[in-house]
Amino acid sequence: EAGVAQSPRYKIIEKRQSVAFWCNPISGHATLYWYQQILGQGPKLLIQFQNNGVVDDSQLPKDRFSAERLKGVDSTLKIQPAKLEDSAVYLCASSQGTAGNTIYFGEGSWLTVV
Amino acid sequence: QKEVEQNSGPLSVPEGAIASLNCTYSDRGSQSFFWYRQYSGKSPELIMFIYSNGDKEDGRFTAQLNKASQYVSLLIRDSQPSDSATYLCAVNSPSNDYKLSFGAGTTVTVRA
Repeated sequence: EAGVAQSPRYKIIEKRQSVAFWCNPISGHATLYWYQQILGQGPKLLIQFQNNGVVDDSQLPKDRFSAERLKGVDSTLKIQPAKLEDSAVYLCASSQGTAGNTIYFGEGSWLTVV
Repeated sequence: QKEVEQNSGPLSVPEGAIASLNCTYSDRGSQSFFWYRQYSGKSPELIMFIYSNGDKEDGRFTAQLNKASQYVSLLIRDSQPSDSATYLCAVNSPSNDYKLSFGAGTTVTVRA
């Protein structure tokens, strides 16, 4: 079974530029998550989708971050304009459902903002 | 108070010893508890989950849950150099719509 796919794996941009990350979850997984993990910290949930609807985006900085999952499968996370503090790993994850379901992570997209 | 707290470490243990990792959580209604292993530069990988009080064993790993004390631990027996990683404790709760809250992780180094 294929895992969660993410791209690009690495990205270096200048502050105020934009960047987009793509995620393809495990086949059949209805729930998709985007997490931000800053070095030395645990992952922090940015947004959670159930199929193509947003379940939780309370910690998404909406002035600069946006995410969509138009057809209930793939998802894109965009940052515009980027700030230095956005340097982090952006982890996409998926699960079959929500309550108590195991979450599986992709390899992550490493962002450095200079 | 952080939702999930872990000692950041690093925890250094000799090869073959037991590594003991601790995690406390603030939401008394938490129901599911997970341990993820994260190698440097890699994504978190689920190694254990536990829902009920007591111990749960899987190979060299044992998770221990004490809901009354709001405490979950992970024991790694016969530690190997390949166990050197950061271990993340994660908790979910119905009061938080089952969103996973992660601790900052404990870094374990197994000395050969």
